[in-house]
Amino acid sequence: DIQMTQSPSTLSASVGDKVTITCRASQSISTFLNWFQQKPGQAPKLLLFAASSLQSGVPSRFSGSGSGTDFTLTISPFQPEDVATYYCQQSYSAPRLSFGGGTKVDIK
Amino acid sequence: QLQVQESGPRLVKPSETLSLTCTVSGGSISTNDHYWGWIRQPPGKGLEWIGSIYYRGSTHTNPSLKSRVTVSIDTSKNQFYLRLSSVTAADTAVYYCESDLVGGTYRYTDSWGQGTLVTVSS
Repeated sequence: DIQMTQSPSTLSASVGDKVTITCRASQSISTFLNWFQQKPGQAPKLLLFAASSLQSGVPSRFSGSGSGTDFTLTISPFQPEDVATYYCQQSYSAPRLSFGGGTKVDIK
Repeated sequence: QLQVQESGPRLVKPSETLSLTCTVSGGSISTNDHYWGWIRQPPGKGLEWIGSIYYRGSTHTNPSLKSRVTVSIDTSKNQFYLRLSSVTAADTAVYYCESDLVGGTYRYTDSWGQGTLVTVSS
């Protein structure tokens, strides 16, 4: 099974900051890496797919990069409505999926 | 736009079987480019993939749950199902049904149900 490791597990950011979250796969997954945002009481929402493709309707301050085993989600500039938990998802072995442990982002 | 929605009991007794139904709307479940699956999230914790099924019936399940999980489908009803046997308190979670879009260079979860909290308690 492919294991996904996210870091950090929590972070605090000020409005306007550049926020970076990393995700590492236990084996190469090419660019089969997706990012989700989850707010309390809600289902996860797709932000980016295929490592760097922005889902329709998602603000352009969200971006992604990486391939192989190392990936990054960047939020710039950070906005108050971006307070949430972010998850990476590998889909290389789809339909067998796996997720990172999540990164909880709040306001400093 | 495909939509999915879970339904089923929200309270299950220990050692019994959890059963959930997911109804697909906005399109046919018999589509070549989607898998249909279940993901759960224990309170305050992360996301865990449970299992998935293709409309032709092929299934895939999380090895950590494999012996207890059954995912099935009824294309005539546009529904798919989850059964998790011998539940314990550790199976208390929000259960999501979801759909996965599968393309050539991309694969991702493109629709989520609202989630249903299932509590295991006597």
